[in-house]
Amino acid sequence: ETGVTQSPTHLIKTRGQQVTLRCSSQSGHNTVSWYQQALGQGPQFIFQYYREEENGRGNFPPRFSGLQFPNYSSELNVNALELDDSALYLCASSFPAGGGETQYFGPGTRLLVL
Amino acid sequence: KNEVEQSPQNLTAQEGEFITINCSYSVGISALHWLQQHPGGGIVSLFMLSSGKKKHGRLIATINIQEKHSSLHITASHPRDSAVYICAVEGASGSRLTFGEGTQLTVNP
Repeated sequence: ETGVTQSPTHLIKTRGQQVTLRCSSQSGHNTVSWYQQALGQGPQFIFQYYREEENGRGNFPPRFSGLQFPNYSSELNVNALELDDSALYLCASSFPAGGGETQYFGPGTRLLVL
Repeated sequence: KNEVEQSPQNLTAQEGEFITINCSYSVGISALHWLQQHPGGGIVSLFMLSSGKKKHGRLIATINIQEKHSSLHITASHPRDSAVYICAVEGASGSRLTFGEGTQLTVNP
């Protein structure tokens, strides 16, 4: 158990819809990163939040957006879903944001876009 | 060329064998992580290294910063070690991780 939870565990959407995925970090972990993992591949960095501000972004379009809340929870929002968005979405929390810290991963949300 | 390369992609071993998984990277890093992913997706952090060697039970991780190379060793492998092992590097400016493609390890009884 990493102390990081994600919801929902599985989700099916259709093209064009919007989705919100949620992550609850360990208390005190003020850094959360979101990753997308397509089948058979390593995770790809989407973005990171530190103290409720975006702190770095990977090569993902603006329809991927996020929020981080004071209670150590965070959201990943994806608008105008495309078939290629089907993947496992992972969040990872750590403290602090200076680097060189253990990452605690949630179990992931598996999204299928039809 | 990916920034993080792992080998082999797939590895099958018999119970009790000594296993080595390799990771090479091409960027400057502040730390390297070895992670384990089981079917279903959950990822567990095994090691975080910035130099030298770390050992935890039957697992040993080493890193050579000059050669930009790390290895994960499993001694006396067991079927419960079957999983995907992922190498990920952390850049100099924060905790964002860049991942390798992973090594699928299967240990047969």
